[in-house]
Amino acid sequence: AQSVTQLGSHVSVSEGALVLLRCNYSSSVPPYLFWYVQYPNQGLQLLLKYTTGATLVKGINGFEAEFKKSETSFHLTKPSAHMSDAAEYFCAVSLTGANSKLTFGKGITLSVRP
Amino acid sequence: EAQVTQNPRYLITVTGKKLTVTCSQNMNHEYMSWYRQDPGLGLRQIYYSMNVEVTDKGDVPEGYKVSRKEKRNFPLILESPSPNQTSLYFCASSLFRQGRAFFGQGTRLTVV
Repeated sequence: AQSVTQLGSHVSVSEGALVLLRCNYSSSVPPYLFWYVQYPNQGLQLLLKYTTGATLVKGINGFEAEFKKSETSFHLTKPSAHMSDAAEYFCAVSLTGANSKLTFGKGITLSVRP
Repeated sequence: EAQVTQNPRYLITVTGKKLTVTCSQNMNHEYMSWYRQDPGLGLRQIYYSMNVEVTDKGDVPEGYKVSRKEKRNFPLILESPSPNQTSLYFCASSLFRQGRAFFGQGTRLTVV
């Protein structure tokens, strides 16, 4: 079975600073990896996903993530935070097997200080 | 526009009064699921459906029922709600089980 670990529950950065949200997963087979964002009072939206191919994945709103198999990680980054990035971010993993499902991390809240 | 529609967005009810939260998707997705979101616990899957008339329990199914009579609809039923079911609920659909999920706007349920 797969699992996702997002360390910490809250990250605070200054506007213009680097955003780094960490995600580690465990799986015995190649995973599909996702980052979702949840703005206040809204549902989850897909930011980016990794299935196969290039390990550096670019998503919407300037976010990107890199799949590192050796570190079992899929950390989310953005070079320069904007106030509008304040939201909750979820990492999720699924496997390629038929019985797999999408498993979410506990989420991490990003605050952006002016 | 591709979307998942949940209703209602907000609901306050009393213990024991049956309620249904509706969910509909317009993407012809086969896979649909329900999640609840609680602080510090992230999203936990309640039930899922692989296709019409095919449903199965997720991680936290106790106290909930679902049905899938049509491909587009996947209602969540609480036959006797209790205060511990106070939560934020999301319906999601995807082309296949492991794929990208599209989420509804959420239903905030309070059981008093």
